[in-house]
Amino acid sequence: AQRVTQPEKLLSVFKGAPVELKCNYSYSGSPELFWYVQYSRQRLQLLLRHISRESIKGFTADLNKGETSFHLKKPFAQEEDSAMYYCALRASPDSWGKLQFGAGTQVVVTP
Amino acid sequence: NAGVTQTPKFRVLKTGQSMTLLCAQDMNHEYMYWYRQDPGMGLRLIHYSVGEGTTAKGEVPDGYNVSRLKKQNFLLGLESAAPSQTSVYFCASSYPARTEHEQFFGPGTRLTVL
Repeated sequence: AQRVTQPEKLLSVFKGAPVELKCNYSYSGSPELFWYVQYSRQRLQLLLRHISRESIKGFTADLNKGETSFHLKKPFAQEEDSAMYYCALRASPDSWGKLQFGAGTQVVVTP
Repeated sequence: NAGVTQTPKFRVLKTGQSMTLLCAQDMNHEYMYWYRQDPGMGLRLIHYSVGEGTTAKGEVPDGYNVSRLKKQNFLLGLESAAPSQTSVYFCASSYPARTEHEQFFGPGTRLTVL
């Protein structure tokens, strides 16, 4: 069975400081990893997917299969980055798109 | 284009009461999902559907039933509500032709069972 672990429940950073949200996974196959974000009073939305290797809102995430990690990073945090972040794993092409979510990390960026 | 909508937004039930949560999407998505969100546990899949007339159990299906009579609607039912079902419920949908299976979420329903 697959598992997604986000070890930090809360991450408090100052504006302009780097921020890194950790995500580790356990899965025997070849996973697809995602980061979803939920801003205050907004619905959950996709932030990043590893397959696209893109940078969104200054965030990047690299899939490290050796360390089974998919950490989310941003070099300079902004106040608008304050939100709840979820790492999610899709197990296989036959999983009907089902996602396994981590417990989430609340990010608070203070000025 | 409303995307994914959920009805109601809030509800308070007494133990033993029943209710149905409605999810509707106007994106012609084949797949639909019901999750519950609890502090410290993230989102957990309750039930899902891969097409009209089909449903399947997710990670935490006990105490819930679902129906997908129309492609655009996915209903979540609680037959006899329990305090343990106090949670925020999210519906999501996705389109299988897109390999990344991005899920689009509704705004959530906050349910309290007393």
